[in-house]
Amino acid sequence: DTGVSQDPRHKITKRGQNVTFRCDPISEHNRLYWYRQTLGQGPEFLTYFQNEAQLEKSRLLSDRFSAERPKGSFSTLEIQRTEQGDSAMYLCASSLAAGGNTGELFFGEGSRLTVL
Amino acid sequence: GDSVTQMEGPVTLSEEAFLTINCTYTATGYPSLFWYVQYPGEGLQLLLKATKADDKGSNKGFEATYRKETTSFHLEKGSVQVSDSAVYFCALWGKAAGNKLTFGGGTRVLVKP
Repeated sequence: DTGVSQDPRHKITKRGQNVTFRCDPISEHNRLYWYRQTLGQGPEFLTYFQNEAQLEKSRLLSDRFSAERPKGSFSTLEIQRTEQGDSAMYLCASSLAAGGNTGELFFGEGSRLTVL
Repeated sequence: GDSVTQMEGPVTLSEEAFLTINCTYTATGYPSLFWYVQYPGEGLQLLLKATKADDKGSNKGFEATYRKETTSFHLEKGSVQVSDSAVYFCALWGKAAGNKLTFGGGTRVLVKP
């Protein structure tokens, strides 16, 4: 029984570099979410997919951020030209799009990004 | 838009003390309400939920009642243990927010033996 896995768990990079995070959801889940969490704050929604379609993006997701879920399975979140303000924990979650399960997200342990 | 406000921590308690974490929300319509918990070194996990007014969610000795009249969903536990030390997040799933959870800022709870 595997949960949501994220890779890498930690990433340290220099300002201006590109980084990519990967998320593998629970296999039967058709929805996949990306959230960002800064120290002492709650998770903030970035974007979500239903199968391979990206259905919503937050205003937090600037044009330097791009997310994909090419085959409706794993997803990647890329940040181009990183800035120090991008330093945060990036959380991935998955769920089943079914009425009774609404709001029941299964989270990974997160990918921590530090931009120097 | 939808929002969640919860009491700031940290909350420090002795073992077997009573715990209350306040949570209020603003939302259009009738959202579903949740408490998620983040134990040290682990990912967020669902603790309990309530989907309509006056519903009570419960799990692991924790309870929360959906109060529409006061737009609140306070978390309570009668006798905490050291293992309850964690960060607790109140969240809502509402029509205006779309198919996503909106979280409060989190409350850190530290239980001392």
